[in-house]
Amino acid sequence: EIVMTQSPATLSVSPGEGVTLSCRASHNVYRNLAWYQQKPGQPPRVLIYDAANRAAGVPARFSGSGSGTDFTLTISGLQSEDFAVYYCQQYDDWPPWTFGQGTRVEIK
Amino acid sequence: QLQLQESGPGLVKPSETLSLTCTVSGASISASNYYWGWVRQPPGKGLEWIGSLYFSGSTHYNSSLKSRVSISVDASKNNFSLKMTSMTAADTATYYCTRLYSWFDTWGRGALVTVSS
Repeated sequence: EIVMTQSPATLSVSPGEGVTLSCRASHNVYRNLAWYQQKPGQPPRVLIYDAANRAAGVPARFSGSGSGTDFTLTISGLQSEDFAVYYCQQYDDWPPWTFGQGTRVEIK
Repeated sequence: QLQLQESGPGLVKPSETLSLTCTVSGASISASNYYWGWVRQPPGKGLEWIGSLYFSGSTHYNSSLKSRVSISVDASKNNFSLKMTSMTAADTATYYCTRLYSWFDTWGRGALVTVSS
């Protein structure tokens, strides 16, 4: 099973600032990685797939990069609606499809 | 527009069986290239994949739950179901039904299931 590890657990950021979230896979997943955003009381929403492709309707301030075992999600110019929990998920070696434990982006 | 909607009891007694159904609208569950399945999230915690079913009927389950879980499809009703036996307090979670195309591209709103006597 591929274990996904996200860091940090929590990020405190001021609106307007940029932020970078990290996700590491225990084995090479090539570019088979997605990022999700989850707000309280809502299901997760896919932001990025294939490590760097934005899903439909996702603002350009969200960008993904990386390959192999190390990935990042960058949010430039945080807006109020971006404060949420973010998860990465690998789909290279399945089953199981596995998620990271999440990074909470909170208002500083 | 594809929509998924979970239905089922919000409260289950310990040792009993959970049954949830996901009704799909806006697309045929028999469409190829997609898995349909379930992900759960305990209160305040992260996401755990439970299992998924391909349109052809083949299924995959999380090995940690495999002995207790089954997922089935009713193509005539365009829905699929989750059954989880021997429920305990540790199974208290929001259960999401999902469409999976490598990544989980569509989610239901979730059904909170509490296990308590």
